[in-house]
Amino acid sequence: GNSVTQMEGPVTLSEEAFLTINCTYTATGYPSLFWYVQYPGEGLQLLLKATKADDKGSNKGFEATYRKETTSFHLEKGSVQVSDSAVYFCALSALTGANNLFFGTGTRLTVIP
Amino acid sequence: EAQVTQNPRYLITVTGKKLTVTCSQNMNHEYMSWYRQDPGLGLRQIYYSMNVEVTDKGDVPEGYKVSRKEKRNFPLILESPSPNQTSLYFCASSTKGGSYEQYFGPGTRLTVT
Repeated sequence: GNSVTQMEGPVTLSEEAFLTINCTYTATGYPSLFWYVQYPGEGLQLLLKATKADDKGSNKGFEATYRKETTSFHLEKGSVQVSDSAVYFCALSALTGANNLFFGTGTRLTVIP
Repeated sequence: EAQVTQNPRYLITVTGKKLTVTCSQNMNHEYMSWYRQDPGLGLRQIYYSMNVEVTDKGDVPEGYKVSRKEKRNFPLILESPSPNQTSLYFCASSTKGGSYEQYFGPGTRLTVT
């Protein structure tokens, strides 16, 4: 079946620290992989995505590389800001049948000044 | 402005009293879906629709109904709500399935007493 395992939170970092949030997946076939971000009181919005092996998604200083050999899609940012405080969700889309996004449990990030 | 709207944003109701949560998108998207978000479980899909008059069950459809009579609207119906349906609900839409970005509404927080 399809599933996503995401690093447990919460994560608290000081401003300008390096961020890694681990994400591994199980899927049949070749899924697309996503990171969504949820700011307080808002819906989810797409942060970045990768649709095939070795693709790197990037946006707003965040990056993640689709690693088929390790079935991983870890999120990284070199220098976090207070405004990055949010909940981050890793997700996959199986590409078979309907567009069902399978989400991880989410990781809450708090960045302190 | 391209957006997904949901109403109401907050709802407190009693067991057994039928309710409807509306969802509307203005992007002419074919695909729409409903998710519920629960602590420690991430987001789980309830129902989805590939187009008008085409709906299907997601991972947790029990106790919910949907309809898709118009392309822009996808209401979620709880015929007889129970306390285990207390949750945060999100509607989402996208152009199509697979690797296409899903756009999320702001969420509806439902409490069933």
